[in-house]
Amino acid sequence: GNSVTQMEGPVTLSEEAFLTINCTYTATGYPSLFWYVQYPGEGLQLLLKATKADDKGSNKGFEATYRKETTSFHLEKGSVQVSDSAVYFCALTPTSNTGKLIFGQGTTLQVKP
Amino acid sequence: KAGVTQTPRYLIKTRGQQVTLSCSPISGHRSVSWYQQTPGQGLQFLFEYFSETQRNKGNFPGRFSGRQFSNSRSEMNVSTLELGDSALYLCASSSGEGNSPLHFGNGTRLTVT
Repeated sequence: GNSVTQMEGPVTLSEEAFLTINCTYTATGYPSLFWYVQYPGEGLQLLLKATKADDKGSNKGFEATYRKETTSFHLEKGSVQVSDSAVYFCALTPTSNTGKLIFGQGTTLQVKP
Repeated sequence: KAGVTQTPRYLIKTRGQQVTLSCSPISGHRSVSWYQQTPGQGLQFLFEYFSETQRNKGNFPGRFSGRQFSNSRSEMNVSTLELGDSALYLCASSSGEGNSPLHFGNGTRLTVT
């Protein structure tokens, strides 16, 4: 079946530190991969996406590369800010033309000044 | 462009009652998906409607149902509420074609007592 596994949180970093949140997936076929972010009291916002192997998604200083050989989509940011504190979700959609996303369990990021 | 709107934001119901949640998608979007978010189970897909037809369904009991109207607005109904139905219910809309990203609302927080 299809599944997504994220590293356990919370992740606590100091401002300007380097961030990596690991995400691996299991899927049949060629899924599209996403990172979503959820701030307290809000819904999810799309952070970035990649639709095929070796694609790199990027947005607001965050990056993730679709690695088919390692079935991974790790999220990275070179220098985090306090405002990046949120819950981050890795997700996949196994096919196109669907609103069905399979999410990882989420990783809480806390950035301290 | 207005985002995805969910109403109400908060609901408190008693076990055994039923509840209806509403979602207005982004203008022009034909797909509406519903998700349940709980601390224990994370984000789980309920169902998706596209052009008034259910296109995908998750693994929830028949007490959970939905529908979509001709203007793409969607409602979700839960009958015979159980304590375990307490959750944040998120609605997401998209064009429903290709790998179009999902845009989430801020959710309805349902508490069953």
